[in-house]
Amino acid sequence: SQQGEEDPQALSIQEGENATMNCSYKTSINNLQWYRQNSGRGLVHLILIRSNEREKHSGRLRVTLDTSKKSSSLLITASRAADTASYFCAASSGSARQLTFGSGTQLTVLP
Amino acid sequence: KAGVTQTPRYLIKTRGQQVTLSCSPISGHRSVSWYQQTPGQGLQFLFEYFSETQRNKGNFPGRFSGRQFSNSRSEMNVSTLELGDSALYLCASSPSTRAEETQYFGPGTRLLVL
Repeated sequence: SQQGEEDPQALSIQEGENATMNCSYKTSINNLQWYRQNSGRGLVHLILIRSNEREKHSGRLRVTLDTSKKSSSLLITASRAADTASYFCAASSGSARQLTFGSGTQLTVLP
Repeated sequence: KAGVTQTPRYLIKTRGQQVTLSCSPISGHRSVSWYQQTPGQGLQFLFEYFSETQRNKGNFPGRFSGRQFSNSRSEMNVSTLELGDSALYLCASSPSTRAEETQYFGPGTRLLVL
């Protein structure tokens, strides 16, 4: 079963705009990770936020985590056509290291 | 450092056959996990190996198995292939088994079962 559910399922924006994707999860987590996947290829790790962190930045990426609402968001600022990809959140819970992935958001950035 | 490598990249098999996929982790990484990605079920955890021992297993039938060698390379095997096994199989490596570690994924092996 999937721990994380993401919305929207698909998002289409113009280059230069910001893109926001949301992820909800069901149980307590150790951390939440965001990955990008281009056209069915491998997953590229973007950012990891620990359960005791509320916000984290990496370049044009900003991730927030609200453990009371069991939700996280990924903001990509000043998007580029190269950001076109699927974005997944993945939750790590308990003592197990397995990642439970959300269903993903397909982001399309139009030039 | 070279990233996670997976071989083969593409594979076509027929129902009933078996298949072995290989994963070489990033140098120095000792933990390897496997995931299956399908359009219907998304990304699902198969198993994790560390120091040649399976630490955790997902909810997959016994036809799915794996192993890890002393050099941390890992293989997964699927026996008696079914059409539904068609998927992208991804492996991920990390230095150890700490929960806060990032897992780095390979490019995947795309398996098509006819």
